[in-house]
Amino acid sequence: GESVGLHLPTLSVQEGDNSIINCAYSNSASDYFIWYKQESGKGPQFIIDIRSNMDKRQGQRVTVLLNKTVKHLSLQIAATQPGDSAVYFCAEGVSSGYSTLTFGKGTMLLVSP
Amino acid sequence: EAGVTQSPTHLIKTRGQQATLRCSPISGHTSVYWYQQALGLGLQFLLWYDEGEERNRGNFPPRFSGRQFPNYSSELNVNALELEDSALYLCASSLSGWEAKDGYTFGSGTRLTVV
Repeated sequence: GESVGLHLPTLSVQEGDNSIINCAYSNSASDYFIWYKQESGKGPQFIIDIRSNMDKRQGQRVTVLLNKTVKHLSLQIAATQPGDSAVYFCAEGVSSGYSTLTFGKGTMLLVSP
Repeated sequence: EAGVTQSPTHLIKTRGQQATLRCSPISGHTSVYWYQQALGLGLQFLLWYDEGEERNRGNFPPRFSGRQFPNYSSELNVNALELEDSALYLCASSLSGWEAKDGYTFGSGTRLTVV
């Protein structure tokens, strides 16, 4: 289930389940979105990106869905594995001017064997 | 190919002191970004350097400053350290401008502890 931890919302799943991590973004002008995975003691790693002219993009075991109407982004991980345990961040950006990526607060995914 | 490297990995300073953190981007990347990640929290944007110039700055006080050298490496300086500056400082690099293939590439960070 999903719960709010000390600072981060946490999603706990069993190995083999499908996981869905959600993100609400704030800037309606954002046209580029990225999901990052951060394992303990490491920097964030790129997982998958999507541009605003798309509503779905698939990678290896991961799918990102974008709903611009409600400014919502989700990351679906198929057949979740213990190695998927990490903090997942969504990031949004505007592809013009001197803007930078803005990161969400993150969701911790815990996968039990 | 070497990734983004940051040094030192850990740094302990006393309140009021200055801290200097260093970052070497991926070869060929000209943009360097600094983010602060307080324990259990998200990434807060600090600074963006590109081609030696400061391109954008986050909502942090002036005692957070930095620079980018001709070889595109970068330094983050934090003056008059406060306890709440304790955090993981992440550096990322990209091709010029952030909208590059694969977004930013992050280093493993410098853990700054202020006591």
